[in-house]
Amino acid sequence: EVQLQQSGTVLARPGASVKMSCKASGYSFTSYWMHWVKQRPGQGLEWIGAIYPGNSDTSYNQKFKGKAKLTAVTSASTAYMELSSLTNEDSAVYYCTRGARYFDVWGAGTTVTVSS
Amino acid sequence: QIVLSQSPAILSASPGEKVTMTCRASSSVSYMHWYQQKPGSSPKPWIYATSNLASGVPARFSGSGSGTSYSLTISRVEAEDAATYYCQQWSSNPRTFGGGTKLEIK
Repeated sequence: EVQLQQSGTVLARPGASVKMSCKASGYSFTSYWMHWVKQRPGQGLEWIGAIYPGNSDTSYNQKFKGKAKLTAVTSASTAYMELSSLTNEDSAVYYCTRGARYFDVWGAGTTVTVSS
Repeated sequence: QIVLSQSPAILSASPGEKVTMTCRASSSVSYMHWYQQKPGSSPKPWIYATSNLASGVPARFSGSGSGTSYSLTISRVEAEDAATYYCQQWSSNPRTFGGGTKLEIK
């Protein structure tokens, strides 16, 4: 079974950085793009960017360049997203999702709360 | 970027009723994907490449459209269909989602 297991809830201070993980199982991790999607409370979905673990190629939404950094460790079948210089606007649920011809598998999400 | 506009924002329907929600793109896209999301849960793939039902999606759902106009139709709404439905385009970066249509069951 294809699964994406995301790391747990994070509470962070304004100005800090956080790094979350997404562990893939049940498929060839290096053969699919891994995407990240943001959802603020009560709001819609926003695409952050994607990484291709096979060669570490990345693609970012211009809005999140400088905010998000995507990496992947193939030996661990795990993708990571680091968010920097956190503000209240970064409080959200962040999903990793496998990109086939569409977003066909989703993780449960990592909740990030930014508060002083 | 391609902006997707979904209407209506909220759709209220009775069980057994036929409903249609639309997604309009600011530029032509090759196809549209749809996701279903219920409160507290991750989005689920629902319809891909405009008209293909994802695994496990009931046959009462259908999708259609082309160019800048796409739609999702439920032939006979059931209580379990209450959710928010998002359209999403894959044609160009950045990938974008519509604002969602929340389906409420009376």
